[in-house]
Amino acid sequence: QTVVTQEPSLTVSPGGTVTLTCASSTGAVTSGYYPNWFQQKPGQVPRALIYNTDNKYSWTPARFSGSLLGGKAALTLSGVQPEDEAEYYCLLYYGATWVFGGGTQLTVL
Amino acid sequence: QVQLQESGPGLVKPSETLSLTCTVSGGSISDHYWTWIRQPPGKGLEWIGNIYYTGQTYYDPSLKSRVTISVDTSKNHFALILSSVIAADTAVYYCGRWSKSGNTWRLDYWGPGTLVTVSS
Repeated sequence: QTVVTQEPSLTVSPGGTVTLTCASSTGAVTSGYYPNWFQQKPGQVPRALIYNTDNKYSWTPARFSGSLLGGKAALTLSGVQPEDEAEYYCLLYYGATWVFGGGTQLTVL
Repeated sequence: QVQLQESGPGLVKPSETLSLTCTVSGGSISDHYWTWIRQPPGKGLEWIGNIYYTGQTYYDPSLKSRVTISVDTSKNHFALILSSVIAADTAVYYCGRWSKSGNTWRLDYWGPGTLVTVSS
């Protein structure tokens, strides 16, 4: 069973920068895993932020960016705002199936 | 504006079958992949499966023996059937739309989700 691993929780100060990562049990994450990132706030539907590693949607704030970092997919928030406090999920492609990471609870404190 | 809406029973008895429908409005079901995702209370997201509008399906291996996803292009909706349900299948079930173009995959539309509880 493929496992996608994210940091369970991270804390960042307002205005700071934080990087969330997404690792695959099968090895290094590459662009061929088509990494997608989602944000979910309590009681809300997940919202797509990033697709295909580093592409933003029209609604994605400029402070969010996606990349590959050290064999993992990464989501970086620069200039964090209080409203960025949320759960973040990555989603990776395995040649016909998809697997979500366990999620990272980001606290802005 | 594309909208998705899940519908179906909110309560299913253990060992019975869960059936949900996702109705698509504001756009055609054709030329897209569609997905079911679930989220147990207080837990993370789980991908259940995808279906292409032609009917080709892809399932999570751990659920494959119990899951069927189907599409009805004439009604512009697709459906999820999960058999032999257990308490662990209690979750909010979301339907969604994939926009695929070449090597680009975007899960850009989600339904509001529907809570299905498995309990006697």
